[in-house]
Parts: sequence; C-alpha cells; structure tokens
Amino acid sequence: GGIITQTPKFLIGQEGQKLTLKCQQNFNHDTMYWYRQDSGKGLRLIYYSITENDLQKGDLSEGYDASREKKSSFSLTVTSAQKNEMAVFLCASSINRGNTEVFFGKGTRLTVV
Amino acid sequence: QEKVQQSPESLIVPEGAMSSLNCTFSNSASQSIWWYQQHPGKGPEALISIFSNGNKKEGRLTVYLNRASLHVSLHIRDSQPSDSAVYLCAVSDTNAYKVIFGKGTHLHVLP
Repeated sequence: GGIITQTPKFLIGQEGQKLTLKCQQNFNHDTMYWYRQDSGKGLRLIYYSITENDLQKGDLSEGYDASREKKSSFSLTVTSAQKNEMAVFLCASSINRGNTEVFFGKGTRLTVV
Repeated sequence: QEKVQQSPESLIVPEGAMSSLNCTFSNSASQSIWWYQQHPGKGPEALISIFSNGNKKEGRLTVYLNRASLHVSLHIRDSQPSDSAVYLCAVSDTNAYKVIFGKGTHLHVLP
C-alpha cells in the first residue's frame, strides 16, 4: 500500500496572498491530480500531470499554478487568494491512465480572511 | 469535454433498505466509470468500477452501465448507517488521463 500526504492540513491566508500547497505520494504513480472541492459543487479538476515535469490544465486552472519537479511530488500555488474563499483542495494519484483507481490524500482546507 | 451529472442530490433511506444512485455522462466513448465514497473530513475512496455494458456485483454493491443511454447506477443492498457518506461518480475523459467527477449524492441511512 501507499499513502498520499498533503501539507498543510489547514491553511489560512490573506486576500491577495500567494499560497502553496504540497503533496507527496509513495505509490510510485505516474499521474497526479489537484482537485478543488466546494460545498455543493463536487470535485473540480485544477491541474494534472502524467509524468515528472509534465503539467496539464484542468477546468479550473485560472488563478493557479502547479509544479511537478519529482515523480513523487506535486505542488499547487494559489497565485492571489480571494477574500472569503473557503475550499478543500484534494491531491490524488493514479498508476497511469485515469481509467484506473485514483487514490486521494485527506485534503488541505483553505480559508482566506 | 466530459460532463457528469448525479441524482438525487440527497437520499434518505431506512436501515436495511436498498439505496439507488444515478449518474449520467456525456461521452459514450468514455473509459471506465468509477464510484467513490467520501466520509466527512476524508478524501474519496474507490468503491467499484465498470467498463462494459451490463452489471457488476461486489458484496452489497451492484453497478449497472448502459453506454447507449449514457447512464450508470449504483445500488447498495441492505443499507447500513455506516454507508452514510457522499457518493461520487467519476468518468475518465477520452484522453484517459483526465478524470471528471460529478457533484455527488449525499446518502443518509437512518438507524
């Protein structure tokens, strides 16, 4: 088995601040994902990466940057936090293509004051 | 672009009843369809997947897929209070790397 570790678990930022969320996986999976989960809106794909140094935009990439410098890690940057924003960011990985099981971390809960 | 719709938004059933959840997707050429379960404060966990038309059973779970009608359903037999969670339908896009989720169904099983 493996695990996906997201840090931090809770993140409080200020409006306009640049914030970075980190994710590590020890499954040795090729593909990694960042999703945003808002109440009533399900999971929306922000970025995904099919291998080291690859980046693909999802449906919600505006306002975010991502980085995959190592196979095991995938970071997400909120380029300018929006006031009163509150969401959970979920990191995930799959062995290869998306038609295989996707494994999730426990999430980073973001609050912007 | 793949779209995934789930219904109902919320479902309340008594303990021991059958729970039936629905999901429609937009592309008949989509890859496997997965169902995930998410408890509060946790990440989603995979429950069951299906690729071919027809049904698939695993324990108390049965999934039915009809690609012609772009519809998949999940049925939980003998529902238990511990089954109370959000259930997410996930479809991989035709490029097979991009995985799109529905908004989820909140299932509440009353003891």
